[in-house]
Amino acid sequence: EVRLLQSGGGWVQPGGSLRLSCVGSDFTFSSYAMSWVRQAPGKGLEWVSDIASAGFTTHYAASVKDRFTISRDNSQNTLYLQMDNLQAGDTAIYFCAKPGLTSWSFDSWGQGTLVTVSS
Amino acid sequence: EIVMTQSPATLSVSPGESATLSCRASQSLGADLAWYQQKPGQAPRLVIYDASSRATGIPARFSGSGSGTDFTLTISSLQSDDLGVYYCQQYRGWPPWTFGQGTKVEIK
Repeated sequence: EVRLLQSGGGWVQPGGSLRLSCVGSDFTFSSYAMSWVRQAPGKGLEWVSDIASAGFTTHYAASVKDRFTISRDNSQNTLYLQMDNLQAGDTAIYFCAKPGLTSWSFDSWGQGTLVTVSS
Repeated sequence: EIVMTQSPATLSVSPGESATLSCRASQSLGADLAWYQQKPGQAPRLVIYDASSRATGIPARFSGSGSGTDFTLTISSLQSDDLGVYYCQQYRGWPPWTFGQGTKVEIK
């Protein structure tokens, strides 16, 4: 069974930085693109970023572009999200998510990690 | 950006009855649409992909239909375990992938 185990997150003041991690297991991590999706408290789902399987191609939502950086270490089966210049609007639960090989539906999700940006 | 609109916002259904959830896209998606179930405090769970294919482990009472701009998720013979918020997601127009605002399914 595919597992995605997240770590990182917590509380940070506006303008601060955090890094999230997501370790994949029981699947060939290096064969799959990966994504981050977030959910503000009491709100719906918002795609944040994705990265191709080899890590050379990335995409970002307009709301986080130039502040967040997605990366991966396929030797460690780990996905990262570096979040800089965090703002109150970035407060959310962040999920890593794995799409299928032939579909961008997300068939596996991490447990989620809460990021709180507040002074 | 493709906008996804779900209706209704809340659906109250008695156990054993059917629930019909709708999702409309602002542009044609072909069949590039997924449905997710999210229970309180949990990550979303894929229910349907490619508009009508059930994900692994999803009971046969869940079915998806539609193509283009109009899609439906039907839960036949609703069970108490089916409560939660259901989101549709398009993966035709990218980036960004976009989700609907969700339909909350309540047990009456």
